[in-house]
Amino acid sequence: KQEVTQIPAALSVPEGENLVLNCSFTDSAIYNLQWFRQDPGKGLTSLLLIQSSQREQTSGRLNASLDKSSGRSTLYIAASQPGDSATYLCAVKGYSTLTFGKGTMLLVSP
Amino acid sequence: GAVVSQHPSWVICKSGTSVKIECRSLDFQATTMFWYRQFPKQSLMLMATSNEGSKATYEQGVEKDKFLINHASLTLSTLTVTSAHPEDSSFYICSADRDSAYEQYFGPGTRLTVT
Repeated sequence: KQEVTQIPAALSVPEGENLVLNCSFTDSAIYNLQWFRQDPGKGLTSLLLIQSSQREQTSGRLNASLDKSSGRSTLYIAASQPGDSATYLCAVKGYSTLTFGKGTMLLVSP
Repeated sequence: GAVVSQHPSWVICKSGTSVKIECRSLDFQATTMFWYRQFPKQSLMLMATSNEGSKATYEQGVEKDKFLINHASLTLSTLTVTSAHPEDSSFYICSADRDSAYEQYFGPGTRLTVT
């Protein structure tokens, strides 16, 4: 059974810092890996999707990498802003189901 | 493209009543639809997977007689919480995909409060 772990569980940084969120998974037989953002009381916003054949994806200040063989992904956020404060979820897709990590709660202070 | 809607966005009901939540893929036909629940400060837990015209597959520990899923068409799935109790209060999120190898698209969620 796939297990997804996210470290750290919570992170507090001052505005402007570059930061890295980590995600690891136990079964490397995946189709893709997705990073989501979730604001309190809201649904999911898809940030980046990396197919299993890809190594990284970039969108604006966000860069996600995937090392399938080692079961790891990182989400890099450059020049963090208070508006980046949210919970970030990593999810891996197996044959049909998506398995989520517990998330990293990020707080960026002005 | 690839928009998934949910209705209602929030609902309050009395204990013992049933509540139906709709999930629609607005601009694509969904091969499969998924239902998740999320408790406060917890991650999403998959409840069940449904394909159009066939019975839903429930995850271990999810009561299929309590959480009735109907996948009536390639664009509509419904989740009915029967005889709801306060412990069923949660955030329910659906998702849909059009190809199992690619992205799942998520609805905005439905917050259920049972009093």
